Amino acid sequence: AQSVAQPEDQVNVAEGNPLTVKCTYSVSGNPYLFWYVQYPNRGLQFLLKYITGDNLVKGSYGFEAEFNKSQTSFHLKKPSALVSDSALYFCAGPGSSGSARQLTFGSGTQLTVLP
Amino acid sequence: NAGVTQTPKFRILKIGQSMTLQCTQDMNHNYMYWYRQDPGMGLKLIYYSVGAGITDKGEVPNGYNVSRSTTEDFPLRLELAAPSQTSVYFCASSRDRDRRGDEQFFGPGTRLTVL
Repeated sequence: AQSVAQPEDQVNVAEGNPLTVKCTYSVSGNPYLFWYVQYPNRGLQFLLKYITGDNLVKGSYGFEAEFNKSQTSFHLKKPSALVSDSALYFCAGPGSSGSARQLTFGSGTQLTVLP
Repeated sequence: NAGVTQTPKFRILKIGQSMTLQCTQDMNHNYMYWYRQDPGMGLKLIYYSVGAGITDKGEVPNGYNVSRSTTEDFPLRLELAAPSQTSVYFCASSRDRDRRGDEQFFGPGTRLTVL
């Protein structure tokens, strides 16, 4: 079965420190993976996606993600966290049909950046 | 562009009542989606549409119906509301230029409570 997992419900980091939000995947074939962010009382916003090619993907707001095939991971990173980065982050991948048009989402990780 | 709009923002229903959640996008996207978001569970796909007149079931379609008579509109119908349908509902759309999956644009959500 296709799935993505976010092992941490909550991540706290001090402003200015690097941040990592973890995602692991179980996807057959070539994985297509996404990161979305949700601010309070808002819909999700796209951050970045991995299709093929360079394992380091750069996205919006200074975020990047590293695809690691041997560890089946797609962790979201940012070199220096901002208080405004505090939000709910979702990893997503292809659903049970295998198509990335039908996404399956992780359970979400609440990121809190402390001033 | 207004993007993806949803109405209403909030609604309280009694068990057994019916209602329609409205979703409209002005980006001329072919693909549209309905998700529900439950606390700690990520998003689950209810139904999706690849174009006017074409709809298909997602992961959790029971208790819901959809129609797609135009490119812009994708309403979600609840016929007999049940407490298990208490959730936040998100509509999304995508261009689908890339068969492997395009960025999805999300509406602001509808918070539904069934009592």
